[in-house]
Amino acid sequence: DTAVSQTPKYLVTQMGNDKSIKCEQNLGHDTMYWYKQDSKKFLKIMFSYNNKELIINETVPNRFSPKSPDKAHLNLHINSLELGDSAVYFCASSQQLAGSYEQYFGPGTRLTVT
Amino acid sequence: GENVEQHPSTLSVQEGDSAVIKCTYSDSASNYFPWYKQELGKRPQLIIDIRSNVGEKKDQRIAVTLNKTAKHFSLHITETQPEDSAVYFCAASWSGGADGLTFGKGTHLIIQP
Repeated sequence: DTAVSQTPKYLVTQMGNDKSIKCEQNLGHDTMYWYKQDSKKFLKIMFSYNNKELIINETVPNRFSPKSPDKAHLNLHINSLELGDSAVYFCASSQQLAGSYEQYFGPGTRLTVT
Repeated sequence: GENVEQHPSTLSVQEGDSAVIKCTYSDSASNYFPWYKQELGKRPQLIIDIRSNVGEKKDQRIAVTLNKTAKHFSLHITETQPEDSAVYFCAASWSGGADGLTFGKGTHLIIQP
């Protein structure tokens, strides 16, 4: 009964490749997010998305794109991977519209670009 | 945009003593302030949060205080235990918009036996 799940847990790939990370939440939440945690453990918001609005952090390269097939899923696509993309990527969700702002995080996907 | 500063980056305390971590934020529109605990290799987990209409909140050994005027908030852990060792993150957001949390850079809390 995992609340927020991500696949894969580990992803090792070469520079220039295109990859995707999947996220699913079974909490019925209306808003989902992607965060990047770098090697210094700094957590930074990349995207937030509900069924009406996509908010993009202006510092995120346009090689990164979120795609939401439905309310329970928010996948992250990354084109032309670079060494600096190596990090742990966390998906999260919250029930924003109901006034409950707690964000539940997925287990993370460790991306290594070689 | 919002900017959150967190201090100290590392905190070592004796088991049983108290630990205090402090954060400041820049955007006066922020009104939601959660604290997350992250153990090595694990996901961040919410341990306590506070909204701007409240000055203090307590849950057993942990408490958070908020000073809206000064734009700072603090995490207090009393009677520390070895299992409290982890990285703690403060964050801020404006709950009226789904634009995500702005995190501080984290505090590595070490509980010395």
